[in-house]
Amino acid sequence: EVQLVESGGALVQPGGSLRLSCAASGFTFSQYWMTWVRQPPGKGLEWVANIKVVGSETYYVDSVKGRFTISRDNAKNSLYLQMNSLRAEDTAVYYCARVAGYCTKGVCYYLRFDSWGQGTLVTVSS
Amino acid sequence: DIQMTQSPSSLSASVGDRVTITCQASQDISNYLNWYQQKPGKAPKVLIYDASNLETGVPSRFSGSGSGTDFTFTINSLQPEDIATYYCQQYDNLPPSFTFGPGTKVDIK
Repeated sequence: EVQLVESGGALVQPGGSLRLSCAASGFTFSQYWMTWVRQPPGKGLEWVANIKVVGSETYYVDSVKGRFTISRDNAKNSLYLQMNSLRAEDTAVYYCARVAGYCTKGVCYYLRFDSWGQGTLVTVSS
Repeated sequence: DIQMTQSPSSLSASVGDRVTITCQASQDISNYLNWYQQKPGKAPKVLIYDASNLETGVPSRFSGSGSGTDFTFTINSLQPEDIATYYCQQYDNLPPSFTFGPGTKVDIK
């Protein structure tokens, strides 16, 4: 059974930093892209970042570029999100998710988030 | 950037009703459109990928159609367990990025 378990959420002051972790099990972690998605309280979903299988290629939503860094350790079956210069608008439940589908020769097929963790709450407030 | 809109933002229907939600993209996204269900307090779950493909294990009363800019998601016979918020999501090829629609909340009348 695929399992994704996030941790690291906390209350942090504006301008502070936080590192989220996601422990994966039940599948071959090194064969899948991974992603972070966030959801502010009572609001909709926002994609945050992707990372490819090797970890050398990462992609971000504009609002977090330069502040957040997605990374992975395939030996530890773990995904991370380093969040710096946090703002009140970063307050959200953060989900890690597995990306199904694939890309080849510049075209992607069947990309979707097919397994999700339970989420971890990040609150940015003074 | 591609913008996604959904309508309606909420709806109430009776058990057994057919429910339809629409999603519109601000530009042609081919069939790169997924649908998710999120129940209160739970993580989202993918139901439909690439506009019309049913994810493994998802009941056949859920379906999707469309291409280009206009997409439709249908629940053929609404069940009490379908109470949730439904989101469409588009994806771009390279670089791969994703945008969710604002969501449609479905309640039982």
